[in-house]
Amino acid sequence: AQSVAQPEDQVNVAEGNPLTVKCTYSVSGNPYLFWYVQYPNRGLQFLLKYITGDNLVKGSYGFEAEFNKSQTSFHLKKPSALVSDSALYFCAVRDMENYGQNFVFGPGTRLSVLP
Amino acid sequence: GAVVSQHPSRVICKSGTSVKIECRSLDFQATTMFWYRQFPKQSLMLMATSNEGSKATYEQGVEKDKFLINHASLTLSTLTVTSAHPEDSSFYICSAAGLASYNEQFFGPGTRLTVL
Repeated sequence: AQSVAQPEDQVNVAEGNPLTVKCTYSVSGNPYLFWYVQYPNRGLQFLLKYITGDNLVKGSYGFEAEFNKSQTSFHLKKPSALVSDSALYFCAVRDMENYGQNFVFGPGTRLSVLP
Repeated sequence: GAVVSQHPSRVICKSGTSVKIECRSLDFQATTMFWYRQFPKQSLMLMATSNEGSKATYEQGVEKDKFLINHASLTLSTLTVTSAHPEDSSFYICSAAGLASYNEQFFGPGTRLTVL
């Protein structure tokens, strides 16, 4: 079975500082990994994905994530946080070889960027 | 990216009534659509997967007679909450995937259902 863990319920960071939102995963096949952001009472917005290729993936709004196969991690990062980045972030994994198009989402991490 | 819409964005209904939520893919053909439910401060829980023209596949614990899903065309799926009760109040989100975007799901903006 596939699973996703986001070990931190809440991450607080000062504006202008770098931010990291952690994600680890478990799949039996090759992982397809995604990050989404959700603002209050809104659907999910796609940030970035890793399918294959370079381990460092760049996405929307200055976010990037690094795929680390040995540590089964896909942490989300941004060099300089903005107050507007405050939102709920979800990591998701998809095991294309075994579970088709189904996504499994992590529990979410609430990011608060303090001015 | 592809656009998915949901209607209505917010609905309030009385207990015992049925509510229909529409999910549309606006600029691509969605061979597969997914319905999720999200409780406050929690993650998305997959309810069911529907492929165009066939019956939906429900996740364990989801009552198929209560949550009716229809995916009659490549651009429209509907979720009907039958005989709604207050415990059905939640945020319902759909997503869509097409053959040309098999790696990715595109999410709708969600529907807030409140059952009084």
